Amino acid sequence: TQLLEQSPQFLSIQEGENLTVYCNSSSVFSSLQWYRQEPGEGPVLLVTVVTGGEVKKLKRLTFQFGDARKDSSLHITAAQPGDTGLYLCAGGGATNKLIFGTGTLLAVQP
Amino acid sequence: DTGVSQDPRHKITKRGQNVTFRCDPISEHNRLYWYRQTLGQGPEFLTYFQNEAQLEKSRLLSDRFSAERPKGSFSTLEIQRTEQGDSAMYLCASSIGGRNLANVLTFGAGSRLTVL
Repeated sequence: TQLLEQSPQFLSIQEGENLTVYCNSSSVFSSLQWYRQEPGEGPVLLVTVVTGGEVKKLKRLTFQFGDARKDSSLHITAAQPGDTGLYLCAGGGATNKLIFGTGTLLAVQP
Repeated sequence: DTGVSQDPRHKITKRGQNVTFRCDPISEHNRLYWYRQTLGQGPEFLTYFQNEAQLEKSRLLSDRFSAERPKGSFSTLEIQRTEQGDSAMYLCASSIGGRNLANVLTFGAGSRLTVL
């Protein structure tokens, strides 16, 4: 069974601070995606990474896929209250389903 | 096309009743997925369809759960004899598929089920 563990599970920070969320697995994935979900809504895609070692930047968000394609990280610089939400990593493999991580709930206080 | 639509958004039912959720995917997407999510946790895979064919079902999906996609467009998820443990958000997602594409899912807003 493929599992994706995220850490930390909860994170409460002040506006302007930096943070990193980790997504780890013992399984290899062909692609790794990050989603953000707000209360009462479905997850929304932030980024897809497909190459081991790949780094993608999206404004204040930096995503990295591990060299062995088993782990990933999301770094947010100068967090803002609008970044508040549930962050989910999701791994894609040989089957056509996505396996989601356990989630990281981020609260950014103004 | 306004994205993935789910109906109803909220359903409150008594234990033992049957409930049905509907999902209308993005029209050009041939894959359709059902996930279940409890508060603060990541979505758990339930089942998925490629066109009208149900290609995979999770072991989480007991025989009280059934999903259909009869014409390869909308899908329904029925839960029979509901139990309190079925209370969750049921998420539908669709994707365009394709062998060389990363499988990017577009989610609906979900159907929240509360079983009393």
